[in-house]
Amino acid sequence: EIVLAQSPATLSLSPGERATLSCRASQSVSSSLAWYQQKPGQAPRLLIYEAYNRATGIPARFSGSGSGTDFTLTISSLEPEDFAVYYCQLRDNWQWTFGQGTKVDVK
Amino acid sequence: DVQLVESGGDLLQPGGSLRLSCVASGFTFSSYDMHWVRQAAGKGLEWVSVIGTTSGTWYAGSVKGRFTISRENAKNSLYLQMNSLRAGDTAVYYCARGRGNYFDSWGQGTLVTVSS
Repeated sequence: EIVLAQSPATLSLSPGERATLSCRASQSVSSSLAWYQQKPGQAPRLLIYEAYNRATGIPARFSGSGSGTDFTLTISSLEPEDFAVYYCQLRDNWQWTFGQGTKVDVK
Repeated sequence: DVQLVESGGDLLQPGGSLRLSCVASGFTFSSYDMHWVRQAAGKGLEWVSVIGTTSGTWYAGSVKGRFTISRENAKNSLYLQMNSLRAGDTAVYYCARGRGNYFDSWGQGTLVTVSS
């Protein structure tokens, strides 16, 4: 079973700052990693798929990178609506796994 | 637009059974794998089950043998039959459209509470 570890658990930043979120897999997953954003009381929203592809309608300030075991979600300049929880996710055969999440909150 | 609407959530006692439904619109339902993902209050996301386009099914170890996923393409509907429910099954249950390795659309969720 592949485990995803996200860091940090909480990231406290100000609007306009750059956010860098990390996701580490316990085994190599090539580029099969996705990122989601979830705001309180809402369903998750797909941001990035296959490590670096932005989903439809996702602003260019969101970018994904990495391969193998180490992946990064970068928000180049935080907007007020970006303060939320972010999850990484992968598929391992017929099991899908999420990281524990990183909360981006206002400093 | 893709829309997924879950229903069926309820409050029930341990050992009980419940059937969740998810009605899809805005896309060709029969052409997509469909998933259930759950989230306990204040916790992270947990994948529960998937049903493929040819009705193959897979489950998380925590629900295998207790939950059954099914679909009815003529009604654009996804179901989750949950038996032998436990307190640990308490969560918001989301249906999600699968795109191979990831989920590209999600419903708003339905709350299942298991408590005596």
